[in-house]
Amino acid sequence: EAGVAQSPRYKIIEKRQSVAFWCNPISGHATLYWYQQILGQGPKLLIQFQNNGVVDDSQLPKDRFSAERLKGVDSTLKIQPAKLEDSAVYLCASSLEVRGYQAQYFGPGTRLLVL
Amino acid sequence: AQSVTQLDSHVSVSEGTPVLLRCNYSSSYSPSLFWYVQHPNKGLQLLLKYTSAATLVKGINGFEAEFKKSETSFHLTKPSAHMSDAAEYFCVVSPGNTGGFKTIFGAGTRLFVKA
Repeated sequence: EAGVAQSPRYKIIEKRQSVAFWCNPISGHATLYWYQQILGQGPKLLIQFQNNGVVDDSQLPKDRFSAERLKGVDSTLKIQPAKLEDSAVYLCASSLEVRGYQAQYFGPGTRLLVL
Repeated sequence: AQSVTQLDSHVSVSEGTPVLLRCNYSSSYSPSLFWYVQHPNKGLQLLLKYTSAATLVKGINGFEAEFKKSETSFHLTKPSAHMSDAAEYFCVVSPGNTGGFKTIFGAGTRLFVKA
């Protein structure tokens, strides 16, 4: 079974530029998550989708971050414009559904450096 | 409010000695609890999960955790540490069957294993 795929693996941009990350979850997983992991910290949930609907985006900085999951499968996370403090690893995860003690399975992450 | 606290930021053990990584949680709902491991420059891997079926949960690589509701704890243990266990470990609380909150990661515990 293929795991969660993410691309790109690494990205370096200058502040005020825009960047987009892509995630393809495990086949059949209805729930998709985007996390931000700053160096030395645990991952922080940015947004959670159930199929193509948003379940929680309370920690997403909506003035600069956006995410979509149009067909309920792949998802993109965009930052526009980027700030220095956005330097982090962006992790995508998926699970069968939101409830019912479902484990999340993580992709390798995209390491973003904002200069 | 929901929260998770990993009581030690760093733990150092000698190879062949027991490992104890401590985690306390707070939740108004019946949570699901997980332990994940993150090796340097690698993705998050699920070690084990608590799903309310049994309080003692066995995971991969000889790890296990015990859910103690009275103490609101979910400590991770292993009888004998191996050099390959050196990594960052995260305790995670997620909604169980009742939902009601988002996934929260602990700050992480870095495990060092000495030869």
